[in-house]
Amino acid sequence: DSGVTQTPKHLITATGQRVTLRCSPRSGDLSVYWYQQSLDQGLQFLIQYYNGEERAKGNILERFSAQQFPDLHSELNLSSLELGDSALYFCASSEQGVDTGELFFGEGSRLTVL
Amino acid sequence: GQQVMQIPQYQHVQEGEDFTTYCNSSTTLSNIQWYKQRPGGHPVFLIQLVKSGEVKKQKRLTFQFGEAKKNSSLHITATQTTDVGTYFCAGGSGNTPLVFGKGTRLSVIA
Repeated sequence: DSGVTQTPKHLITATGQRVTLRCSPRSGDLSVYWYQQSLDQGLQFLIQYYNGEERAKGNILERFSAQQFPDLHSELNLSSLELGDSALYFCASSEQGVDTGELFFGEGSRLTVL
Repeated sequence: GQQVMQIPQYQHVQEGEDFTTYCNSSTTLSNIQWYKQRPGGHPVFLIQLVKSGEVKKQKRLTFQFGEAKKNSSLHITATQTTDVGTYFCAGGSGNTPLVFGKGTRLSVIA
């Protein structure tokens, strides 16, 4: 158990819909990262938040947005969903805001868009 | 931007054979990390290397960081069925988030 909690574990929805994925980082971790993992693909970095502020942005589509709340939990919002958005979405947390130190991953949210 | 390439993409070995995966970065790294993702699981941190030429061992796993800090390797001696999974390297550069390679999926045939 990494200490990172993600909900929901599985989500099935239709094209054009909007979903919200939630992540609670490990106690004390200030950084939250979102990654997308498609079939046979690596981990594509989407976005990072540190103590409530956006720290870094990766290959995140304009249809996607995220935020980190004062209690440090984070939400990833995916809108106008397309078939190609079907993937496993991981949240990870770390103590610091920079790249040193290990990432602790949640178990992921598997999104299926039909 | 920074890219991290990992080869091979897949590797099938007989139990007891050795296995190596290689990681190359397009830029000099400040550190490199390795993660293992079991089938159906999430990535789990294995190790971080920060020094040029660094070699670290964890039981049957040996990790190396190249002298130029642009490449790394993970070698598993005498693979076991418990080694099955996808091994990812991830490169760190200054204040940017880790960039992950696409991983090497290891299958071990008993």
